[in-house]
Amino acid sequence: ETGVTQTPRHLVMGMTNKKSLKCEQHLGHNAMYWYKQSAKKPLELMFVYSLEERVENNSVPSRFSPECPNSSHLFLHLHTLQPEDSALYLCASSRTRGGIAADTQYFGPGTRLTVL
Amino acid sequence: DQQVKQNSPSLSVQEGRISILNCDYTNSMFDYFLWYKKYPAEGPTFLISISSIKDKNEDGRFTVFLNKSAKHLSLHIVPSQPGDSAVYFCAASSNFGNEKLTFGTGTRLTIIP
Repeated sequence: ETGVTQTPRHLVMGMTNKKSLKCEQHLGHNAMYWYKQSAKKPLELMFVYSLEERVENNSVPSRFSPECPNSSHLFLHLHTLQPEDSALYLCASSRTRGGIAADTQYFGPGTRLTVL
Repeated sequence: DQQVKQNSPSLSVQEGRISILNCDYTNSMFDYFLWYKKYPAEGPTFLISISSIKDKNEDGRFTVFLNKSAKHLSLHIVPSQPGDSAVYFCAASSNFGNEKLTFGTGTRLTIIP
């Protein structure tokens, strides 16, 4: 498999559930990102990891907990979410983090999350 | 307050004609701009970029123009093809970097055969 994959593609969860979103990149990249896209809003950067180290947390509530066990995998652990957290969650990766304009971010297809 | 604005949520263009998608930004620290294209059920894919040291960048049918004084950029697609029908996102960053991208809300382009 190539590119950036995300599982599951769709997720429905209750406010008391715990679930995890998974992202895997097969591009040999060193940086990975989580974005959120709510309805009629722009993509918002949530987290940035570089070489498995979190380098950016964009004021995201603690009910979202990222994990990057290696440079190919990125998880977003979800706990006691609110209905307003329903959105499309996109993962992306790039060869390096920042500073080099040519390092394009490659996106996965996203997980459509609905919180009941 | 949105720093990157795409004021047209949708645009319809006849096949073969030119498509022009517009984007405005407010943050004068932005110095690198990108366009992404998104098909349904897929993630955004990078299309073309421009840094603030240039005012034009061309790649095949796609050309991006940057007007720094007006804080405005545009994407021109010519000739437009049915496969160009997608949502187009404008994004911007500072320090010529790719990391903290600020996105617009997107413009849905429909090419009419």
